[in-house]
Amino acid sequence: AQSVTQPDIHITVSEGASLELRCNYSYGATPYLFWYVQSPGQGLQLLLKYFSGDTLVQGIKGFEAEFKRSQSSFNLRKPSVHWSDAAEYFCAVGVNTGFQKLVFGTGTRLLVSP
Amino acid sequence: DAGITQSPRHKVTETGTPVTLRCHQTENHRYMYWYRQDPGHGLRLIHYSYGVKDTDKGEVSDGYSVSRSKTEDFLLTLESATSSQTSVYFCAISPTNEKLFFGSGTQLSVL
Repeated sequence: AQSVTQPDIHITVSEGASLELRCNYSYGATPYLFWYVQSPGQGLQLLLKYFSGDTLVQGIKGFEAEFKRSQSSFNLRKPSVHWSDAAEYFCAVGVNTGFQKLVFGTGTRLLVSP
Repeated sequence: DAGITQSPRHKVTETGTPVTLRCHQTENHRYMYWYRQDPGHGLRLIHYSYGVKDTDKGEVSDGYSVSRSKTEDFLLTLESATSSQTSVYFCAISPTNEKLFFGSGTQLSVL
């Protein structure tokens, strides 16, 4: 069965510093990979997705992620963090059944310090 | 929230009582999902629907049932609520294979 691991429960980054959130997946076939962000009291919003092709994908709000098949990873990056990026971030793998059934990681909470 | 309304937004109930949560969409999307979110577990799929009256179980379906009699409505029922079902419940919709749109969630407390 597919699974997703986000090894960092919390991460604190200074405003303006770079960010990398880790995600490792387990899935037998070529995965569909996603990063979602959740602000407090809100639902999840899609940041970016990888289906195929270029392994470096760009998303909204200046985020990017790189798919590395050899490492089974899909890490999320941002070159310069803003205070408004403080939120919880979820990595997910999609099972290709013709529509999306997502398996989520446990999330990483990002704190941004002044 | 992409035309998704979850109701109620908050509910407190007692163990053993039935509870129904409603998800209503105005997007006419084919696929609808119910997830629960718990600390340390992320989001876990309860049930999903791929059309009117077409539903299937997710990974944590025990104790839950769903119904979809119209495209726009997807109901989640806890037949006899237990304290382990205290959680935040999210509805999501999807037009195709691209991405999910999530509602704002329902906070359910079972005392």
